[in-house]
Amino acid sequence: QVQLVQSGAEVKKPGASVQVSCKTSGYTFTTYGISWVRQAPGQGLEWMASISSYNGDTIYAQKFQGRVTLTTDTSATTAYMELRSLRSDDTAMYYCARDPRLTRESVPNWFDPWGQGTLVTVSS
Amino acid sequence: QSVLTQPPSVSAAPGQKVTISCSGSSSNIGNNYVSWYQHLPGTAPKLLIYDNNKRPSGIPDRFSGSKSGTSATLGITGLQTGDEADYYCGTWDSSLSGGVFGGGTKLTVL
Repeated sequence: QVQLVQSGAEVKKPGASVQVSCKTSGYTFTTYGISWVRQAPGQGLEWMASISSYNGDTIYAQKFQGRVTLTTDTSATTAYMELRSLRSDDTAMYYCARDPRLTRESVPNWFDPWGQGTLVTVSS
Repeated sequence: QSVLTQPPSVSAAPGQKVTISCSGSSSNIGNNYVSWYQHLPGTAPKLLIYDNNKRPSGIPDRFSGSKSGTSATLGITGLQTGDEADYYCGTWDSSLSGGVFGGGTKLTVL
């Protein structure tokens, strides 16, 4: 079955960076994209960015432009999300999710399945 | 403030039917596919509906989706206590060039 398994919880200080990994299995990695979605405490879901595992094309939400970088390792069927210049309001559960985006012209209009989530806490 | 508008909460009795609305604009729902997610506390969100009205394998037909203009609706029939969760609509916003979600609707099965 399709599975996405994320790396463990992180505690970071303001100004630091964090990298979260998303190991996939059960499907051909290069035939789907990976999106990252976060949920701050008591808040709703917020889409951050998407990367095509086919050609590495990325698209970022305007809010995160310049602060987040998505990459993939095709041989390891793993996606990575790096968020820099962390602030206290970046404290959230971060999820990776498979999406259908393969090319620049397509959009990630659904997310399935999702990883189990990685809690990132930013605190001094 | 979410780009898509959902009611904060809905409730109904076991066995009854409930609908959850999701309102947007021409830049998002009006010209893009809508998806719906069920999110139980402490678990990963789960895709219920994609491409406005399609159910992934394994999702019971108690769940349905529809779209009209700039609004979408999730319907759940035969409510069960296990359906208590937060429900989110999502779509692409062509003006923002990004994915957007509703603020979420908490379903209570009384």
